[in-house]
Amino acid sequence: DGGITQSPKYLFRKEGQNVTLSCEQNLNHDAMYWYRQDPGQGLRLIYYSQIVNDFQKGDIAEGYSVSREKKESFPLTVTSAQKNPTAFYLCASSSDTANTGELFFGEGSRLTVL
Amino acid sequence: QKEVEQNSGPLSVPEGAIASLNCTYSDRVSQSFFWYRQYSGKSPELIMSIYSNGDKEDGRFTAQLNKASQYVSLLIRDSQPSDSATYLCAVNRAGSYQLTFGKGTKLSVIP
Repeated sequence: DGGITQSPKYLFRKEGQNVTLSCEQNLNHDAMYWYRQDPGQGLRLIYYSQIVNDFQKGDIAEGYSVSREKKESFPLTVTSAQKNPTAFYLCASSSDTANTGELFFGEGSRLTVL
Repeated sequence: QKEVEQNSGPLSVPEGAIASLNCTYSDRVSQSFFWYRQYSGKSPELIMSIYSNGDKEDGRFTAQLNKASQYVSLLIRDSQPSDSATYLCAVNRAGSYQLTFGKGTKLSVIP
C-alpha cells in the first residue's frame, strides 16, 4: 500500500543532542513537508521541498535542518539549537502543484527532550 | 501575518444532529481551503477541500465558502460518535506550498 512512513514513532533525547527523524514516501509525490504540532495548537510548517535537491524554510525553521537527496526521502534533523524541541512532528506529501494543500500525512513522530 | 481562527470548543452535539464548524481567515488572497480531521494522538486526514464560493458536498460533509466574508465552514450531517475528533481548518494562496492551519475545533458527538 502507498503511504508515508515515519520513524521512530517515539523518541527521547537528552538536551544538547541532535536527532534525525525519518520520512519515506512511496506515493511518487514531488512535494514533501515537515510540520510541528504542540498540544492544543495547529500545525506549523518547518521546511518543505518541492523537488529533489531543493527545500525551503517554513515559519519555524530555526534549529532544524533537512535534506532531499531522493524523491522518496525527506529526513528532518532536530539540532541542539532548537530551544523547545518536545513536540509531535508530522511529515506530509502532496501530489501536484495545483493542489498543494491536499496533504497526505505520515503517522508522526513524538519527540520528548529529557 | 496570515491567521486562521477557529473556536477551540469543545463543541458537543447529540448523535444524529448537525455539527457546524466555523473558520475565519485574514489573508484576502487565500484561494484554497481545506478541512482536516485529527483523532486524538493521530495524524490529520484531509476530508474536504473547497476552492470556489458556495457549497461543496461529499456524503455527510458539506463545506461552505464565502470569500467576501473570509469565512469557511464545515457541516456534518447525521453526526456519529466516530466523528468525534479535532477538525483543523487550513488555507493557502494559489500555488503556494505554505498551508496555514487553525488551532482546530474539538468535536464531541454524544451517543
